Amino acid sequence: DTGVSQDPRHKITKRGQNVTFRCDPISEHNRLYWYRQTLGQGPEFLTYFQNEAQLEKSRLLSDRFSAERPKGSFSTLEIQRTEQGDSAMYLCASSLSQDNEKLFFGSGTQLSVL
Amino acid sequence: RKEVEQDPGPFNVPEGATVAFNCTYSNSASQSFFWYRQDCRKEPKLLMSVYSSGNEDGRFTAQLNRASQYISLLIRDSKLSDSATYLCGETGNMLTFGGGTRLMVKP
Repeated sequence: DTGVSQDPRHKITKRGQNVTFRCDPISEHNRLYWYRQTLGQGPEFLTYFQNEAQLEKSRLLSDRFSAERPKGSFSTLEIQRTEQGDSAMYLCASSLSQDNEKLFFGSGTQLSVL
Repeated sequence: RKEVEQDPGPFNVPEGATVAFNCTYSNSASQSFFWYRQDCRKEPKLLMSVYSSGNEDGRFTAQLNRASQYISLLIRDSKLSDSATYLCGETGNMLTFGGGTRLMVKP
């Protein structure tokens, strides 16, 4: 499968723990995005990369959240000191910069914070 | 006020019906827009882009009204398989999505 892959599919953690998610984009895509989605809502933008550069980060994003894309390929999203309000589906997407409205999403990582 | 707003629905329609959704946006400088489809427990997928001149793809027609700052999606001859959540939004450096409109097509 050459689509966007995310790992893990599900993560259950206790409040206060740190969690890290991984995203492998489509190989030729230079843009990579992280979104968060809760039930009944649309995807909410978190951050995006062009190659290895993190170009934008949502103002709503707490400093407990950090993302990296060290070699311009896969990306990781870390949440430190998780809170119950962090429970959501974390979606990764990739695109070509010249076709940036055509995002290819992964299946997401469902995070549950107990 | 949210940047992109949609009626969450659900819209319950019989097979064969025509249904239309609107989506309003707040940024008058926005240049391009889109509709994504999201099936239950699945990831969103691009349905169609929305151009100033409108866009049609088979049974689906998207329109942009800049004066009133809304985009619309018209689905003709609804099929059971059209049941999904339809997400509209605007394109900048990132895509900004609305909350989605749920459509349920009944036999």
